[in-house]
Amino acid sequence: DGGITQSPKYLFRKEGQNVTLSCEQNLNHDAMYWYRQDPGQGLRLIYYSQIVNDFQKGDIAEGYSVSREKKESFPLTVTSAQKNPTAFYLCASSIQGLAGVTDTQYFGPGTRLTVL
Amino acid sequence: DAKTTQPPSMDCAEGRAANLPCNHSTISGNEYVYWYRQIHSQGPQYIIHGLKNNETNEMASLIITEDRKSSTLILPHATLRDTAVYYCIVTGYSSASKIIFGSGTRLSIRP
Repeated sequence: DGGITQSPKYLFRKEGQNVTLSCEQNLNHDAMYWYRQDPGQGLRLIYYSQIVNDFQKGDIAEGYSVSREKKESFPLTVTSAQKNPTAFYLCASSIQGLAGVTDTQYFGPGTRLTVL
Repeated sequence: DAKTTQPPSMDCAEGRAANLPCNHSTISGNEYVYWYRQIHSQGPQYIIHGLKNNETNEMASLIITEDRKSSTLILPHATLRDTAVYYCIVTGYSSASKIIFGSGTRLSIRP
């Protein structure tokens, strides 16, 4: 059963702590993405990776970090430098490689992070 | 900068066709129109995409105007399960940083 998994679904952290959100895909996709969604808003791109060991900042990368050591995994760390970390975080993947056309993204179920 | 404009909300009677408009007047020649939808508290789901021609799949139809400045997503027989926020996105070659999900259209289906 192919797809994207994000864990956990709900996450609570104290202010000032770093927290890492998991994203795994078994679709054999080259590209992976992280988005943030605030209540009533659209999605904003945090980071994306088009190939293993490479990633690029999106529109709101400050206060976040990522790694792409394996094709199937793209964890996102929300650092203490992120001023308003409470949000719904969505991971996605697509077939696209470096030379590919931006194509269909497949999304995970999301992680709702609450910082207390 | 949003590259698309959508009405914030619409409603439709169950069983009728839901027609969701999207304006993308600054679309360039190599950019596609994509539609996704997001049911409350879930990840967005791909619906359909197109470049110039009208497209149809098992979920919906996409009508793109000849000048490509606007498009309409058609759900032919709306059901209560189609209640969601619908996003129209314009994106092109390796332009991941330009993928912008705006606020979308909140579609409500009434029984």
